Amino acid sequence: QKEVEQDPGPLSVPEGAIVSLNCTYSNSAFQYFMWYRQYSRKGPELLMYTYSSGNKEDGRFTAQVDKSSKYISLFIRDSQPSDSATYLCAMSAVGAGGTSYGKLTFGQGTILTVHP
Amino acid sequence: DGGITQSPKYLFRKEGQNVTLSCEQNLNHDAMYWYRQDPGQGLRLIYYSQIVNDFQKGDIAEGYSVSREKKESFPLTVTSAQKNPTAFYLCASSNRDSRFFGPGTRLTVL
Repeated sequence: QKEVEQDPGPLSVPEGAIVSLNCTYSNSAFQYFMWYRQYSRKGPELLMYTYSSGNKEDGRFTAQVDKSSKYISLFIRDSQPSDSATYLCAMSAVGAGGTSYGKLTFGQGTILTVHP
Repeated sequence: DGGITQSPKYLFRKEGQNVTLSCEQNLNHDAMYWYRQDPGQGLRLIYYSQIVNDFQKGDIAEGYSVSREKKESFPLTVTSAQKNPTAFYLCASSNRDSRFFGPGTRLTVL
């Protein structure tokens, strides 16, 4: 069983839709949770970062963490064609000194297409 | 501009050859990483370094080697021992909280 599971999609939605992207994990030591966006043939770009349960909002993006269920989500409101990309969840345990220098475990990525 | 640069963007290698992928960062980050990305498999960690002159193997280090002689630089060598080297290679660096990625190098073995 993989430590992090992410539905690879692909996911296709109309412009303006609310998108929900999800990851589950099995390692209860994970404390830091991240979402990356990756456009085709580019490096991943950090979208959201959180280290606690609950919601974190940034513009049209909301990251949700439920540690009791080992489940994280990324919601995109009013989706735009420019949101079309692969979305990767990533997580890590608390490293030495409370940093996240250590190993970061990624999901497989969800391919999202927002069509006009 | 602060950031991570990788070169070359595209690289072609004949079987049996070693090739070196360059990664440079001017973010003053201590930690640097190399990942490999294959379709449907997400990112897998090859090597990482938390400090100059020190590095650790990741999950798929076989057939790869690295060096960390300078804080800014973390080159990756793909050796002929790597059985299936065709992939997209990503370099990253991190500060206390977040990990940032370079634009990647696509390696193709002919």
